[in-house]
Amino acid sequence: DVKVTQSSRYLVKRTGEKVFLECVQDMDHENMFWYRQDPGLGLRLIYFSYDVKMKEKGDIPEGYSVSREKKERFSLILESASTNQTSMYLCASSLLWGAVAFFGQGTRLTVV
Amino acid sequence: AQTVTQSQPEMSVQEAETVTLSCTYDTSESDYYLFWYKQPPSRQMILVIRQEAYKQQNATENRFSVNFQKAAKSFSLKISDSQLGDAAMYFCAYRSLNTGNQFYFGTGTSLTVIP
Repeated sequence: DVKVTQSSRYLVKRTGEKVFLECVQDMDHENMFWYRQDPGLGLRLIYFSYDVKMKEKGDIPEGYSVSREKKERFSLILESASTNQTSMYLCASSLLWGAVAFFGQGTRLTVV
Repeated sequence: AQTVTQSQPEMSVQEAETVTLSCTYDTSESDYYLFWYKQPPSRQMILVIRQEAYKQQNATENRFSVNFQKAAKSFSLKISDSQLGDAAMYFCAYRSLNTGNQFYFGTGTSLTVIP
């Protein structure tokens, strides 16, 4: 089975801190995604990557950056965390075209 | 960008009964994929069912089936013989086969199963 693992289920950070959310997949998928999930808003795409060192902005990239140095790992970085970034963050991966996305278990981030 | 609309924020169903969750989408593309994902309280998103747009036959997976109407851009999920374990948030999703290769998700429908 495909496994997508996010480094933390719960995280509490202070305003202004630099925050790293890590995601690792074990199925050699080309595509990896970071979503933010908020009640009533569904899943909104922050960034995605279709290859090592490649990245594309999603719908809400402001305040975030990403890094993909290895195929299996996709990191989301909050450069200076703010309270409006308190949310659930979901990582996903998939093969390149048309295939199902597999999700991690989510990280609930609270910025205080 | 494509949009996916789920107009029912909450639904409920009696155990063993049937429920239908609605989803509509907006696209100018002819080839794409549609999905229903389930997110239980554990938060793990799980694929329920997938439909390829080029296939006229509606996809089925055990108690789950879809009503795919391409012209109407409608993709509803029917859950038969509802079970307590079906209680979850359900998301409809669209994936383009063309530019961007992104997934687009609806806002979700929270399904409650009443014993």
